[in-house]
Amino acid sequence: GNSVTQMEGPVTLSEEAFLTINCTYTATGYPSLFWYVQYPGEGLQLLLKATKADDKGSNKGFEATYRKETTSFHLEKGSVQVSDSAVYFCALGIYNQGGKLIFGQGTELSVKP
Amino acid sequence: SAVISQKPSRDICQRGTSLTIQCQVDSQVTMMFWYRQQPGQSLTLIATANQGSEATYESGFVIDKFPISRPNLTFSTLTVSNMSPEDSSIYLCSVGAGDRGTKNIQYFGAGTRLSVL
Repeated sequence: GNSVTQMEGPVTLSEEAFLTINCTYTATGYPSLFWYVQYPGEGLQLLLKATKADDKGSNKGFEATYRKETTSFHLEKGSVQVSDSAVYFCALGIYNQGGKLIFGQGTELSVKP
Repeated sequence: SAVISQKPSRDICQRGTSLTIQCQVDSQVTMMFWYRQQPGQSLTLIATANQGSEATYESGFVIDKFPISRPNLTFSTLTVSNMSPEDSSIYLCSVGAGDRGTKNIQYFGAGTRLSVL
């Protein structure tokens, strides 16, 4: 079956620290991969995406590379800010499955000044 | 991207009652999805609502409990019926946007925060 596994949180970092949130997946087809972010009290926002192997998605200083050989899509940011505090969700979608997304369990990030 | 409005944004309801959540999109979309996010948990897909056909429910969700309407390409409703405290969750509407370059992207509303007493 299809599934997504994220590193457990919460993750607490100091401002300007380096961030990595691990995400690995299992898929029977050819998935697209996504990172969504949920700020406190809000819905989900698409952060970045990658649609094929070796693609790198990037946005707002965050990056993730689609690694087919390791079935991973780890989220990284070189210098986090307090405003990055949120819950981050890794997700996969397989086109021939009706556009559905499968989400990981979410990783809560807290950045301290 | 699409702009998605959900109503109500939050509600507190008594057990045994029903609540209908509305989802309005600023453009015509084929695929709409309803998710549940229980406290501190990830998102679980309830059903896919495509205009002109019956909603497709995921395992563990049934139409009698979560009836869905999709009268046109910009609007959908989800009803949470005969509520119990276990239904306290955030309910999220999303729309699918895709062409060959952007497969499976979904855009989300802000959610409806439901508390059942």
